[in-house]
Order: sequence, then C-alpha cells, then structure tokens
Amino acid sequence: NAGVMQNPRHLVRRRGQEARLRCSPMKGHSHVYWYRQLPEEGLKFMVYLQKENIIDESGMPKERFSAEFPKEGPSILRIQQVVRGDSAAYFCASSEDRGSQPQHFGDGTRLSIL
Amino acid sequence: RKEVEQDPGPFNVPEGATVAFNCTYSNSASQSFFWYRQDCRKEPKLLMSVYSSGNEDGRFTAQLNRASQYISLLIRDSKLSDSATYLCVVAVSGGYNKLIFGAGTRLAVHP
Repeated sequence: NAGVMQNPRHLVRRRGQEARLRCSPMKGHSHVYWYRQLPEEGLKFMVYLQKENIIDESGMPKERFSAEFPKEGPSILRIQQVVRGDSAAYFCASSEDRGSQPQHFGDGTRLSIL
Repeated sequence: RKEVEQDPGPFNVPEGATVAFNCTYSNSASQSFFWYRQDCRKEPKLLMSVYSSGNEDGRFTAQLNRASQYISLLIRDSKLSDSATYLCVVAVSGGYNKLIFGAGTRLAVHP
C-alpha cells in the first residue's frame, strides 16, 4: 500500500529556470496539501487542493508559484523563474477527506537553486 | 508572534533520562493538536495526537491545556533512537485541517 509519493527527491535548478514538483497522494486520498520547509525552520502551509480545485492557497507566494491537482495524474507544484530563496524542502501530504487526520507526508523534494 | 512556539533546544540527555518539551499556540480557535517527529532530512511523521484528557503511548505522554494554550510532550527512559526534532503541530479548522507547525525542538540522546 504505497504512501504519498513525491518526485524528484532532489532537484537542482539555476536561477531563472522553472521547477516542477510532483506529488501522488495515497491510494484513495483526494486531498493534497503542500508545505515548504526552509533551512532550520518549521514547515509552512502553502496550498490545499482537491481534485481539480484549489481550496486554500493562502500560503502561496503571490508570484511565480502555482499548484494544480488534475482529474488524472499527480498534483504539481510549479515555481517559475526560481531564485536562491526558493531553495527548501517541499513536502506534500494527503488525506482521505477534508477533515481527516492525520495527514500522511511524502519524503519531500529538496530544491537547490544555483 | 509565531502561531506555534517551541524551545529550539537542543536538549542533550543521556540514555534513560526523562525529558519534557513544551509548546504554546496563539490561535484559541485551534481544534486539533499533535506531536510529529522529524529525523534529519526526512519527512515529518506523526508521533501522537494530543487530547485535553492527556494521552500516553508507551514511553510518550502528551498533555494539552486549552486554557493556557499549552501543549507538552514527556519522553521517559530515553533511547538513542529518540534523537530527532520534535514538532508541535496545531490544526486550525475551517472545514479542513490546515496544519500549523512549530519550528521544532531538537533532542540528542547520548550513551
């Protein structure tokens, strides 16, 4: 019974490039959350999505960041024109329904910007 | 003021010691409370939920004081494998559970 799958595990980009992070939720889960963890800090909520809908994007930076969770396929967190400050670990979590606890986390994607 | 505050530590304790972590949260509307454990460069993993009545899971005991907005975790008989960062987590309801994480408290258990 596969858990939350994130890929790639590590991603290196140069400033100005685009980064695409993927998250496949646990089987049967249709709710996805993205969190960002800067070095030496706690996880910060970014966005909550259900299939084809963004429910809460209050934690997303206003520019360059976008997220989607299409009807088919994984959830994608997209960062355009990356900057050094985007270097972080990005974690995805999924849950079975809106109020379910706990959220199950993926291994994360470590994004490094050169 | 941070929404969830924790002492960053590190707490350096010998094997067998008892260690306690505290956490305070600022949003009185918070609904659910948890302790997560995060090993270096790994994903956070749920350690236990926290209830007002207090709850225990083996060597781990968690307490919640809603009036003081205070959460604690007690680890008895520390093991080397307990070395990790412990994250205090609060869920703010709004029809779904948005998790608010503390920055974590680092624990190092030595022989």
